[in-house]
Amino acid sequence: DTEVTQTPKHLVMGMTNKKSLKCEQHMGHRAMYWYKQKAKKPPELMFVYSYEKLSINESVPSRFSPECPNSSLLNLHLHALQPEDSALYLCASSQGGRGPYEQYFGPGTRLTVT
Amino acid sequence: GENVEQHPSTLSVQEGDSAVIKCTYSDSASNYFPWYKQELGKRPQLIIDIRSNVGEKKDQRIAVTLNKTAKHFSLHITETQPEDSAVYFCAARRDTPLVFGKGTRLSVIA
Repeated sequence: DTEVTQTPKHLVMGMTNKKSLKCEQHMGHRAMYWYKQKAKKPPELMFVYSYEKLSINESVPSRFSPECPNSSLLNLHLHALQPEDSALYLCASSQGGRGPYEQYFGPGTRLTVT
Repeated sequence: GENVEQHPSTLSVQEGDSAVIKCTYSDSASNYFPWYKQELGKRPQLIIDIRSNVGEKKDQRIAVTLNKTAKHFSLHITETQPEDSAVYFCAARRDTPLVFGKGTRLSVIA
């Protein structure tokens, strides 16, 4: 099974709201990622968790807050977002943080900030 | 850090023809090169990958070649079909997260 799941599929939120995106994998992967993807662009790395510890933060604004409760789950907490944060948010996982491992993406959450 | 260049940005082919997408990378230590296909509104889907210890890999109608000396790798799709229409991303990595190319929009014209 190479499936990464994400909820919700779609999210519309106001700039004063607080919401969370959720990601889950049961492949035993120990690295999990958050990406942001704008239309016609490649995925843009936001955060990397390796063995449940935050290993990379690509200078993401603090209105995005990641959390890794256990090796299978990854959350992205959102608050005080801006309209320019509207995008497809993709979760991904791989066997480890380093090495030539396959990386699989979830279906994404389409986020619209109004 | 790693930098990946991908060409062309758009590609149109007639159904049944072959399509080739090329990528170059900058870090000679990179050892893993996947290709992703992304259909409109869907996730990037891993379709084939190659590691630096091999020069070519094939899976039915798709193949990837790697030239480590020249630091480039290519995706080859033969006998293209309308369902091959999508955006294709190449990527490269060693010990860091994947670095993606900017993508190629492939259109297969029936």
